[in-house]
Amino acid sequence: EDQVTQSPEALRLQEGESSSLNCSYTVSGLRGLFWYRQDPGKGPEFLFTLYSAGEEKEKERLKATLTKKESFLHITAPKPEDSATYLCAVQPVSNDYKLSFGAGTTVTVRA
Amino acid sequence: ETGVTQTPRHLVMGMTNKKSLKCEQHLGHNAMYWYKQSAKKPLELMFVYNFKEQTENNSVPSRFSPECPNSSHLFLHLHTLQPEDSALYLCASSQPTSGTAEQYFGPGTRLTVT
Repeated sequence: EDQVTQSPEALRLQEGESSSLNCSYTVSGLRGLFWYRQDPGKGPEFLFTLYSAGEEKEKERLKATLTKKESFLHITAPKPEDSATYLCAVQPVSNDYKLSFGAGTTVTVRA
Repeated sequence: ETGVTQTPRHLVMGMTNKKSLKCEQHLGHNAMYWYKQSAKKPLELMFVYNFKEQTENNSVPSRFSPECPNSSHLFLHLHTLQPEDSALYLCASSQPTSGTAEQYFGPGTRLTVT
């Protein structure tokens, strides 16, 4: 069974204080690893897809990296608007439709 | 309308009521999904439809009944729910045949069962 574990559960940062979120996974053949952002009371918003170890993707202050066992979401010089819950999910090669999600990391950035 | 829309955004219902959630996607995708999101827990996949055909049902109780009349619309019919069914219900869509598999989510329906 595919499993995704995210840490820490919550992260409080001062504006400008860079940090990283971790997503550890086990999957029987990785088709893709996905990062989403979710604001309170809203649906998850797609951020990145990573397909193979060594791959990196960037969007504004966010950078996602992937190894064979985990992915990191680096937040560089965060701003209060980066406050959200960040979700990680994996999809196996055997199933085009199934995503297994982690419980998320809730990031709070104080001005 | 763009993306994935869901109605209603909030719903309060008693355990004996019957209600329906509606989802519509404007992305031209062929797969649609229902997820349940409870506090502090990972998203739980409930149902998957591909080209209107149900491809997955993850042991969901029969008090939840999905309907997919076409590839743009998805419904979740609710009846005789339990308080533990209170959660955020999310609809999503994707286009697996395009080579990428990311799913796009609607804003969700916040369901409270009293």
